[in-house]
Amino acid sequence: AQSVAQPEDQVNVAEGNPLTVKCTYSVSGNPYLFWYVQYPNRGLQFLLKYITGDNLVKGSYGFEAEFNKSQTSFHLKKPSALVSDSALYFCAVRDDQTGANNLFFGTGTRLTVIP
Amino acid sequence: DTGVSQDPRHKITKRGQNVTFRCDPISEHNRLYWYRQTLGQGPEFLTYFQNEAQLEKSRLLSDRFSAERPKGSFSTLEIQRTEQGDSAMYLCASSLTGTGPKSYEQYFGPGTRLTVT
Repeated sequence: AQSVAQPEDQVNVAEGNPLTVKCTYSVSGNPYLFWYVQYPNRGLQFLLKYITGDNLVKGSYGFEAEFNKSQTSFHLKKPSALVSDSALYFCAVRDDQTGANNLFFGTGTRLTVIP
Repeated sequence: DTGVSQDPRHKITKRGQNVTFRCDPISEHNRLYWYRQTLGQGPEFLTYFQNEAQLEKSRLLSDRFSAERPKGSFSTLEIQRTEQGDSAMYLCASSLTGTGPKSYEQYFGPGTRLTVT
């Protein structure tokens, strides 16, 4: 069975500084990895995914993520944080138990960018 | 707006009542998913449709939960005899079918927040 760990419930970063939101995973087979962001009273928005190919994946709003197979990690990064990046971030993997391509989510990391 | 829509956005009901939520996916998306999100947790998968066929329902939380997608377009999720533990955000997502990279991207609606009193 799969698992996703987001070890930090809360990440604070100053505006303009680089940010990292951590994610580690465990799956059987090849990992399909995703990052979503959730703003208050809104649904989840897709940021980026890793299916195959380059380990550095670029996504929406200037975010990127690095797939590291040996460390089973998929950390989300951004070179310069904006106050508007403050939100709840979820890492997810494709569920390897159902065959439905549904997502299995971590518990989320709340990012606060301090002006 | 061509995104996923859900109705209602909020529902307050008394314990024991039945509730039904609607999801309208992105029009060209054949796959439709329902998730539940409780406070402080990530979304939890409930069920999945490809067109009108419900291909995965083993994760529905109990037999009080059921879902339909009768014409392969919109879907409904029904909870019978609601309990306080059913209070949560119910999210719908849709995606393309096939095996291309875009088929793995799920697009979520704003959710229906259910409060059972």
